[in-house]
Amino acid sequence: AQSVSQHNHHVILSEAASLELGCNYSYGGTVNLFWYVQYPGQHLQLLLKYFSGDPLVKGIKGFEAEFIKSKFSFNLRKPSVQWSDTAEYFCAVNEGGSARQLTFGSGTQLTVLP
Amino acid sequence: DTEVTQTPKHLVMGMTNKKSLKCEQHMGHRAMYWYKQKAKKPPELMFVYSYEKLSINESVPSRFSPECPNSSLLNLHLHALQPEDSALYLCASSRIRDSNQPQHFGDGTRLSIL
Repeated sequence: AQSVSQHNHHVILSEAASLELGCNYSYGGTVNLFWYVQYPGQHLQLLLKYFSGDPLVKGIKGFEAEFIKSKFSFNLRKPSVQWSDTAEYFCAVNEGGSARQLTFGSGTQLTVLP
Repeated sequence: DTEVTQTPKHLVMGMTNKKSLKCEQHMGHRAMYWYKQKAKKPPELMFVYSYEKLSINESVPSRFSPECPNSSLLNLHLHALQPEDSALYLCASSRIRDSNQPQHFGDGTRLSIL
C-alpha cells in the first residue's frame, strides 16, 4: 500500500514570508497528486492537482507545487503568505487508473502571524 | 460554499441511539465516499460507493452501515456507537471515469457520543 509523508507537522511564519511544505509518497507507478486545505471549521478544499504534463502546477490563492518524480515529492509553495492562509494543509495521492483510493498525508498546520 | 451537502452539522447521541447522517450532491458524480476525521488528523476512508454499489469497505465496524439509495444521496446509519467514534464524518464525491479528478468534500457532521 502506498503512503504519504508530510514531515512538517506545524509551521509558523510571519506574513510575507515564503512557504514550502514537503510531501513525499511511496508509490512507484503513475500517480495523481493533490493538495487540499482545511480552514478552521470549514470543509476540505482543493488547492491544486497534478496528473500529467508540466510538473510545476499552479493552484488557487497563489499556491503552486512541483512534482519531482525522481524524489517522489510534490512540495507546496507560496512566495508570500498571508494571515488568511492559516489552515491545515493535506497532501493526497491516488494511483493513476485507480479512481477511488485516495491516501492522505498526516497534514501540516500552518500558522501565519500578522 | 461546498457542492456536497451534509446534514446534520452537529449530532450528539447516546451509545444506544440509532441515527443517520445524510449526504447529497447534484454534480452528477457517481463515486461517493465516507471518511472519518479525528482532530488534527487526516481523513480516514471508511466506505466507497461506485454507481450506487459498495465497492470499498475499509474494515469498518458493523455499527456503521452505509446506504446509497440513488446517485445523489449517501447515508450513514449509526447504531450502538462507542465514545471513540466521536469525530468529524466527511462525505465526498467525484467523477468515476478519471482518477485525476479530485474529490469534493462536504462540511462534515461533527458527531459526539455520550
